[in-house]
Amino acid sequence: AQKITQTQPGMFVQEKEAVTLDCTYDTSDPSYGLFWYKQPSSGEMIFLIYQGSYDQQNATEGRYSLNFQKARKSANLVISASQLGDSAMYFCAMRGLNNAGNMLTFGGGTRLMVKP
Amino acid sequence: NAGVTQTPKFRILKIGQSMTLQCTQDMNHNYMYWYRQDPGMGLKLIYYSVGAGITDKGEVPNGYNVSRSTTEDFPLRLELAAPSQTSVYFCASSYQGFSTDTQYFGPGTRLTVL
Repeated sequence: AQKITQTQPGMFVQEKEAVTLDCTYDTSDPSYGLFWYKQPSSGEMIFLIYQGSYDQQNATEGRYSLNFQKARKSANLVISASQLGDSAMYFCAMRGLNNAGNMLTFGGGTRLMVKP
Repeated sequence: NAGVTQTPKFRILKIGQSMTLQCTQDMNHNYMYWYRQDPGMGLKLIYYSVGAGITDKGEVPNGYNVSRSTTEDFPLRLELAAPSQTSVYFCASSYQGFSTDTQYFGPGTRLTVL
């Protein structure tokens, strides 16, 4: 079984500063993908960034980067230069090979609040 | 540039009523999913489909049914609505089921059962 744990229910960050959102995972699959989604107050799920378990380099997408430490089973999201529009719920998710339709398994989310 | 669309956006049902949540994708994706998100929680899989005519249960299928007659459409049917089905429902799709494939989500349907 796969499990995603996000230990920070809520976080504050000052505008223009960097912030790290924690995510740890557990799986027995040899190959898996790790994803981060953003859910603003409007409710939609927005894909941010992806990291494959065999990728040698950490993924980056604009201001988002993923700090992937395979041995520690962690996939933390780093947002640089925070903006007010970054205030949202952030979900870490995993996709493996051996579950229903290779579904995404989600963590409980972290609510990020950016202060002006 | 529609991606995944869902209708309706909001709905209030009385206990025992039925309804169908519609989901359509225009990306020619093979895999489609229905998730529910309860307040303050992550998403849980209800049903999924790997192609037209093929569906299977996810983590929380009780009280729901699905069908997939075309690649584009994946409706979710609620029979005999119960208050426990009050939730936000998301449809998602991906090209294949590989661990590397990104799932793209629709905007969600907020359902309240009273």
